[in-house]
Order: sequence, then structure tokens, then C-alpha cells
Amino acid sequence: GAVVSQHPSRVICKSGTSVKIECRSLDFQATTMFWYRQFPKQSLMLMATSNEGSKATYEQGVEKDKFLINHASLTLSTLTVTSAHPEDSSFYICSARDQRSPYNEQFFGPGTRLTVL
Amino acid sequence: AQSVSQHNHHVILSEAASLELGCNYSYGGTVNLFWYVQYPGQHLQLLLKYFSGDPLVKGIKGFEAEFIKSKFSFNLRKPSVQWSDTAEYFCAVSISGGYNKLIFGAGTRLAVHP
Repeated sequence: GAVVSQHPSRVICKSGTSVKIECRSLDFQATTMFWYRQFPKQSLMLMATSNEGSKATYEQGVEKDKFLINHASLTLSTLTVTSAHPEDSSFYICSARDQRSPYNEQFFGPGTRLTVL
Repeated sequence: AQSVSQHNHHVILSEAASLELGCNYSYGGTVNLFWYVQYPGQHLQLLLKYFSGDPLVKGIKGFEAEFIKSKFSFNLRKPSVQWSDTAEYFCAVSISGGYNKLIFGAGTRLAVHP
């Protein structure tokens, strides 16, 4: 299957700083990527849909000014958590939709664990 | 709002035992259904999916799932588990068609003891 990477895998930052997480599709082009957030022992919650060359579509309740998404190329989407606070600590997972596959299957990255002190 | 519920948060089995993980969703329209697995330290991987046709779908590694529309259920089964099946299992639903906008259940952590 297609490969999706995320960088960094783990980040610790101080409250008030901004953190950028990268999501890359390594062997395919993805016009659409998705960003999820997972709290401990809870499900993945879709935060936003990232579309190459256009603005991201955010789910209800997700602050677009807090979680900035940029999908500047067909293989890279970035999520920037601005002015991070301890409540933003979570596991962030991206996925990329492979249009070569039947029904445009989503392939998931390994996730990024963010800890805000 | 649409939701997915998985009945068991943590399941412990011995090798060769049979497995059934429950999944129910709340949505009255057409859905696409998925089971994903996450092995320790690895990415989420697709186990199997239902889009249309035969409601009994077979996936990788001997897993299968049955879509029962009247019960809004998509339970995952395996007749005989192995230690290597130790992982977290997520049920997911898409109401937007295909793999768009997946709604995930909370996950079930399966531990298989030798």
C-alpha cells in the first residue's frame, strides 16, 4: 500500500509556542489529506480536510486560527498548532487519499505525539 | 450527529479463542463501513471494508465482518486468534461516500496471550 510519513513523531514544547507537523505522501500524490486528533483511550476525531491549493475545511468546533493547515503541494500538508497550550497535548494523525486506489482509499501516517508543558 | 460505538474497550483472549468485536453506528442513510487495525508502534491499517453487495466481507489475516443493516452493526470476527493479533481495532463509518470523512469508534484493545 501507499506510504504516508509524519514528522516529527514526538514533540515537546512550552506553552505559548507554535508547533508545525508535516504529513507527506511518499509514493503517491494526494490532492486530499485529512488531519485527526486522538485523545487517550478515545477515538480519532477528524479535525479538518486539507485540499491541495485551496483552503482547508474544518470540522465543527475546530478553531481554524488555532490549527493552521497548509497543503501547498501534492505530497505535503502541514498542521501548525499556534500558541499551544497544555490542553492541545494529544496525538495528531494525518491520512492521505490515494486517487489511484479503488474508492480513493485513505492511508494513515504514524502519528505525532504533542506534549505542551 | 453520526456516531460509532464499539462495545468493548479491552478484550483479553487466549490463542485459538474466537473473537467478535462489536460495532454499531447511528445513521439512517447509506454508509460505507471499515475496520482498521493498529499494531503496537505502527500505522493504522485497513483490515476490511464494506461498500455494497455481500454483507459478509472478508479481510486480511483471516478476519471477516458482517454488515447487518437492520441492526446498524458491523461486527468483526475471527475464528481463531493468534498472539500476533494483539493490537487496537477501530471501526469506522463514512457517510459521504468512499473513504471521505471517516467517523471512528473509540477502539478496542485486544490482548492475545499465548
